[in-house]
Amino acid sequence: DSGVTQTPKHLITATGQRVTLRCSPRSGDLSVYWYQQSLDQGLQFLIQYYNGEERAKGNILERFSAQQFPDLHSELNLSSLELGDSALYFCASSVRDRDHNEQFFGPGTRLTVL
Amino acid sequence: AQSVTQLDSHVSVSEGTPVLLRCNYSSSYSPSLFWYVQHPNKGLQLLLKYTSAATLVKGINGFEAEFKKSETSFHLTKPSAHMSDAAEYFCVVSVETGGSYIPTFGRGTSLIVHP
Repeated sequence: DSGVTQTPKHLITATGQRVTLRCSPRSGDLSVYWYQQSLDQGLQFLIQYYNGEERAKGNILERFSAQQFPDLHSELNLSSLELGDSALYFCASSVRDRDHNEQFFGPGTRLTVL
Repeated sequence: AQSVTQLDSHVSVSEGTPVLLRCNYSSSYSPSLFWYVQHPNKGLQLLLKYTSAATLVKGINGFEAEFKKSETSFHLTKPSAHMSDAAEYFCVVSVETGGSYIPTFGRGTSLIVHP
């Protein structure tokens, strides 16, 4: 158990809908990362937050957004969902942001868009 | 720009034989390199990392990797495979960009271990 929790574990929804994925980092970790894992694209970095502020952006679509709250949990919002958004979404946390220290991954949320 | 290529999508070995998972990278700057493992229905776990110290890096569970700058490679090895090593392995390159470290993942290598 990495200490990172993600809810829900599974999510099934329809095209055009909006969903919110939640992540709680390890105790003491200030940095949160979001990743998308699909068969087509592999594992892609989406976005990073550090202590409430956006720190780095990867291949995140404009329909997707994220935030990190004062208690350091983070949410990833996916809107106007398309079939191609079906994937496993991982959250990871680490202590710092200014160097590549170890990231601890949550178990993921499997999103299915029908 | 940075990229990483895992040269084999699947590697099949017998229990007790050596493991070699190959990774080549491309980076404009001095990279940090990592190997992560993902067991079925689990998140990723760090095996080892290279951050410009010793070129031979030892990780958990008997794995090690050697950074070879001239060959732009970071291959993962283990002397003797166990059944529990069967998993997906990801090579990752990370370079500082504007104060942030953005990781790029390889497509993964599935390690199959036969009894």
